[in-house]
Amino acid sequence: GAVVSQHPSWVICKSGTSVKIECRSLDFQATTMFWYRQFPKQSLMLMATSNEGSKATYEQGVEKDKFLINHASLTLSTLTVTSAHPEDSSFYICSAHDRQGETQYFGPGTRLLVL
Amino acid sequence: AQSVTQLGSHVSVSEGALVLLRCNYSSSVPPYLFWYVQYPNQGLQLLLKYTSAATLVKGINGFEAEFKKSETSFHLTKPSAHMSDAAEYFCAVSDYYSGGDKVIFGPGTSLSVIP
Repeated sequence: GAVVSQHPSWVICKSGTSVKIECRSLDFQATTMFWYRQFPKQSLMLMATSNEGSKATYEQGVEKDKFLINHASLTLSTLTVTSAHPEDSSFYICSAHDRQGETQYFGPGTRLLVL
Repeated sequence: AQSVTQLGSHVSVSEGALVLLRCNYSSSVPPYLFWYVQYPNQGLQLLLKYTSAATLVKGINGFEAEFKKSETSFHLTKPSAHMSDAAEYFCAVSDYYSGGDKVIFGPGTSLSVIP
């Protein structure tokens, strides 16, 4: 299967700072990547769809200015949590379609803790 | 709109016993269905997928699932549970068949395996 990586795996930051999370497709090109958020003991909630070379599509209720997404290349999408607050603390997971487009493969996730 | 329900947020089985995790879906188009497993603090790993071919799908680690259109179900089974199967399991549906690319996740089922 396709391999997706995320960096960093863990990040702790102070309230008010911005945090950037990278998502990379290692062995394939991904024109579309997805960003999810997962709270403890809960399912994954789709935040946005990241499209290479164009603006991201955000799900209802997700603040575009809060969660900035950049998909500048076919192998890299970044999620920037701007002016992070404790309520932004969560597990952020990205995914990308495989070449056929049928299946999403997930990164290992990034745990964000905002103090 | 598509949705997924998973009956039982928590399932406990004895080591060596049958594992049955239930998933029912709602979709207005032919669905693509997936089962993912998540170990603590990790991303999601694809167990198996149904993409309109054989209704009985075999996956990794001895898991399999059967697509039953009449019951709108896609239950996951494994004949004999192993301690390493303890994890969170997510059923998911996509509308890829009709050109969509979003994956909708169920709430998840936590599987415990008792020695």
